[in-house]
Amino acid sequence: EIVLTQSPATLSLSPGERATLSCRASQSVGSYLAWYQRKPGQAPRLLIYDASNRATGIPARFSGSGSATDFTLTISSLEPEDSAVYYCQQRRDWITFGGGTKVEIK
Amino acid sequence: QVQLVQSGSELKKPGASVKVSCKASGYTFTTFAINWLRQAPGQGLEWMGWINTNTGNPGYAQGFTGRFVFSLDTSVSTAYLQISSLKAEDTAVYYCARTYYESGTYYNEYFQYWGQGALVTVSS
Repeated sequence: EIVLTQSPATLSLSPGERATLSCRASQSVGSYLAWYQRKPGQAPRLLIYDASNRATGIPARFSGSGSATDFTLTISSLEPEDSAVYYCQQRRDWITFGGGTKVEIK
Repeated sequence: QVQLVQSGSELKKPGASVKVSCKASGYTFTTFAINWLRQAPGQGLEWMGWINTNTGNPGYAQGFTGRFVFSLDTSVSTAYLQISSLKAEDTAVYYCARTYYESGTYYNEYFQYWGQGALVTVSS
């Protein structure tokens, strides 16, 4: 099973700041990685697929990069509504999720 | 608009069975696979498997064979998850999710639309 490790566990930043979230895979997943945003009481929202492609309707401030075992989700300028938990997910070998990074807006 | 509406919370005793439904609307049901995922208390998201809504063929992830069954009723655009011989460790929120589609490509292992989740609690 491919294990996805996300860091940091929590990120506390002010509006307008840049957020950088990391997802590391235990073995190569190529570019088969997605990022989701999840707010309390809501289902996850697909942000990025295949490492760097924004899903339909996702604002341009969200971007993804990386390949093989190291991936990054960047939120270029935080908005208050970006407060959420962010998960990565791979589909290279079955499907597994990371443990999440909580983004708090100060 | 696309919606997946799941059945409500269930409280079951160990050894019992439960059937969770996921009713789709806003698109042609047989065009997109339905996946099932769960999140146990304090745990991460786990992918349980998927069902091809055109053929009815299911695929189960490791750890979800035997007691877990995916099924369909295409006449009412509904997918089902049945769990038998329930155990305390089956206590979780169970989600159905539809795969992602963009520009003519189906990304069967990414999830764009999700149900609201169904809490299954197994307790004596």
